[in-house]
Amino acid sequence: SQQGEEDPQALSIQEGENATMNCSYKTSINNLQWYRQNSGRGLVHLILIRSNEREKHSGRLRVTLDTSKKSSSLLITASRAADTASYFCATDRVGNTPLVFGKGTRLSVIA
Amino acid sequence: DAGVTQSPTHLIKTRGQHVTLRCSPISGHKSVSWYQQVLGQGPQFIFQYYEKEERGRGNFPDRFSARQFPNYSSELNVNALLLGDSALYLCASSFLQGANEKLFFGSGTQLSVL
Repeated sequence: SQQGEEDPQALSIQEGENATMNCSYKTSINNLQWYRQNSGRGLVHLILIRSNEREKHSGRLRVTLDTSKKSSSLLITASRAADTASYFCATDRVGNTPLVFGKGTRLSVIA
Repeated sequence: DAGVTQSPTHLIKTRGQHVTLRCSPISGHKSVSWYQQVLGQGPQFIFQYYEKEERGRGNFPDRFSARQFPNYSSELNVNALLLGDSALYLCASSFLQGANEKLFFGSGTQLSVL
């Protein structure tokens, strides 16, 4: 079963615009991670936010976490065509369970 | 340093056959996880191994099995293949097993069952 649900399923924006993706989950977590996947190949880790953190930045990425609402958002600022990919949230649930991935958001950035 | 390597890259099998997929983790990483990704879906957890012991198993039938070797490489075996086993199989490694570990993924093995 999949713990996280990303929203929207697909997103298409112009180069230079910001892209926001959301993730909701069901159970208490140790941390939440975001991954990126190009063309159905291997996933690449982007950022990890711990359950006691509310916001984290990495370059053009900004992640927020609201544990009371069991939700997270990933913001990519000043998007580029090279950001075109699928983005997945993954949760590390309390109890030392393996990472569970959502279904992903497909982002298309049009030049 | 080499990343996670998987072999083969692509594989075509027929129903009822057996398949073995291989994974070499990043040097120094002791944990290997296997995921199945069907087109248009997120990766689904199959197995996790740490220090050669199974530490987790997803909701997959007994036709799926795996093992980890002393050098921390791993094999995923699938018996009696079904059409529904067609998917991208991803291997991921991490230094330890537990909370706050991030996964490093290989490029995957694309399995097609005809």
